[in-house]
Amino acid sequence: SAVISQKPSRDICQRGTSLTIQCQVDSQVTMMFWYRQQPGQSLTLIATANQGSEATYESGFVIDKFPISRPNLTFSTLTVSNMSPEDSSIYLCSAGSPTGVTDTQYFGPGTRLTVL
Amino acid sequence: QKEVEQNSGPLSVPEGAIASLNCTYSDRGSQSFFWYRQYSGKSPELIMSIYSNGDKEDGRFTAQLNKASQYVSLLIRDSQPSDSATYLCAVLKTSYDKVIFGPGTSLSVIP
Repeated sequence: SAVISQKPSRDICQRGTSLTIQCQVDSQVTMMFWYRQQPGQSLTLIATANQGSEATYESGFVIDKFPISRPNLTFSTLTVSNMSPEDSSIYLCSAGSPTGVTDTQYFGPGTRLTVL
Repeated sequence: QKEVEQNSGPLSVPEGAIASLNCTYSDRGSQSFFWYRQYSGKSPELIMSIYSNGDKEDGRFTAQLNKASQYVSLLIRDSQPSDSATYLCAVLKTSYDKVIFGPGTSLSVIP
């Protein structure tokens, strides 16, 4: 299994500012993903972070609002730009490596963001 | 139709009983299926994965998969208060495209 860490674990930010969340995996992984979990809701995939190319965004999410970097096989960042109170959520990084049939995905501890 | 659906909760069971959690999915080509447990304020924790039709048992947990019916379930035997959490069904779409989560079912085990 992969061990995933995220920084910061939580933050309180002012409207209009930006926050960058870091995700570190203890081993090389092919796939890294960023999810958002709004209060009382399930996980919504924001984007797939691709190493060496631009991230692939899901419907409703755009690069200008959520720029993502993936400089290597163990690290990724998600920036939440020009924040508004609606961006208050838990942001989760996940990672997995395709092994054929038995693909599995593991999660970091999450970053709890509050926007005032 | 949502891609992954779960039975609406909250589900309450007495301690020692069997808790049954259900999930259906829309992509017939999906290959891998997961159950995650999420305690309040924590990140999801993988508890079971299943890839082939039939049952898979791990301790008190049994996952059941029926690809023809596009249905996956999780049974928790001898339920404990510590099992009280939200259970998320997740489906890996074909070609390791992405994992889609259901809305979750909240389980409460009453002592």
